[in-house]
Amino acid sequence: DAKTTQPPSMDCAEGRAANLPCNHSTISGNEYVYWYRQIHSQGPQYIIHGLKNNETNEMASLIITEDRKSSTLILPHATLRDTAVYYCIVRPYDTSGTYKYIFGTGTRLKVLA
Amino acid sequence: DAGVTQSPTHLIKTRGQQVTLRCSPISGHKSVSWYQQVLGQGPQFIFQYYEKEERGRGNFPDRFSARQFPNYSSELNVNALLLGDSALYLCASSLGSSGANVLTFGAGSRLTVL
Repeated sequence: DAKTTQPPSMDCAEGRAANLPCNHSTISGNEYVYWYRQIHSQGPQYIIHGLKNNETNEMASLIITEDRKSSTLILPHATLRDTAVYYCIVRPYDTSGTYKYIFGTGTRLKVLA
Repeated sequence: DAGVTQSPTHLIKTRGQQVTLRCSPISGHKSVSWYQQVLGQGPQFIFQYYEKEERGRGNFPDRFSARQFPNYSSELNVNALLLGDSALYLCASSLGSSGANVLTFGAGSRLTVL
């Protein structure tokens, strides 16, 4: 199963861009990268996902390197409400139809006023 | 639209008891997954069900079981509770089709075993 590595914690000033890195050097060609966040023991909230190309939605941008061994989640203008634990997940490809997310310990992002 | 709903939100049990947790997926979602999150750790996969069939099982003992009903709702049962079963139990639903298959999580059921 592909594993991910994230820094345990990061700080970001309010209004600035938050760039959260993730290493997934063992990712396979057909495995997606997902980002979720979890605010104070609520259920994880979906942010964005991608396969090969960079992606952008109303919440964030996802930049995936050409070799797909790492990615960066970008929150363009961080607010205090973005303080959370951010999880980078690579879902193993499984032809049986099993959709199992393997969570690491994530990055605890603290947005500072 | 209603999201993934879980019940109960909080419960307290004693060692050796049994617990049943319930989950209603988003309308139209046919797959339900269960995760356990111990304090300070990321969620761990327990089960996935799709169209009432078990599609995946994580590294959990046989005390953990689940099922999915014809309306796609699901129950997670844990027997012979141990102190270490204290955790946030998360249910997630998805369309269950191929491709990206994004999971939508509920708020969780927090179980405390005394």
